[in-house]
Amino acid sequence: GQQVMQIPQYQHVQEGEDFTTYCNSSTTLSNIQWYKQRPGGHPVFLIQLVKSGEVKKQKRLTFQFGEAKKNSSLHITATQTTDVGTYFCAGPPGDNDYKLSFGAGTTVTVRA
Amino acid sequence: GAVVSQHPSRVICKSGTSVKIECRSLDFQATTMFWYRQFPKQSLMLMATSNEGSKATYEQGVEKDKFLINHASLTLSTLTVTSAHPEDSSFYICSARGQGTATNEKLFFGSGTQLSVL
Repeated sequence: GQQVMQIPQYQHVQEGEDFTTYCNSSTTLSNIQWYKQRPGGHPVFLIQLVKSGEVKKQKRLTFQFGEAKKNSSLHITATQTTDVGTYFCAGPPGDNDYKLSFGAGTTVTVRA
Repeated sequence: GAVVSQHPSRVICKSGTSVKIECRSLDFQATTMFWYRQFPKQSLMLMATSNEGSKATYEQGVEKDKFLINHASLTLSTLTVTSAHPEDSSFYICSARGQGTATNEKLFFGSGTQLSVL
């Protein structure tokens, strides 16, 4: 079955620095979604990428979908304490499958 | 955006009892809802897909007689953990797809239920 892998599992960042987290799927995805879960909270939808090579920005967050639609990345610039949390990528394994498979997540902590 | 309400947020029960968790879509109709289980510091594990008016579809390894799912209306799905045991202690989260039938609909999550079985 489909596997969605994320690296790194943990990211400890100095406030103000940039970092990138990566998501890789064993199968081609029709789309990829990113969610953020704050400590003690529930996952919240951030963005969805559909097109091959697509790049979307949300303020300091840049999301990219790979050309082969099997990988994605999230890049955060000038990290702030509000960026703390776990970032999950998720995607449906096939064109006709609406179920999302979630990666293990990248847990981000920030030191001031 | 769409709101999904989940209750209770926390429940503590004795071993052997049953616990019901409710998931409601407040401002949209959800023909499909999903139930996830999340262990501390781990990812979301899909347990089952709840379809309005029909039987739930369970993922491999999930006991359907243990985790009863009912999706009686377009806005309500319930998960009942029957004869709960300590190993059932976990964070359970429901989610609902946005309106429409496209396969790329995003999910809206409930706030989760922390179940502790003594």
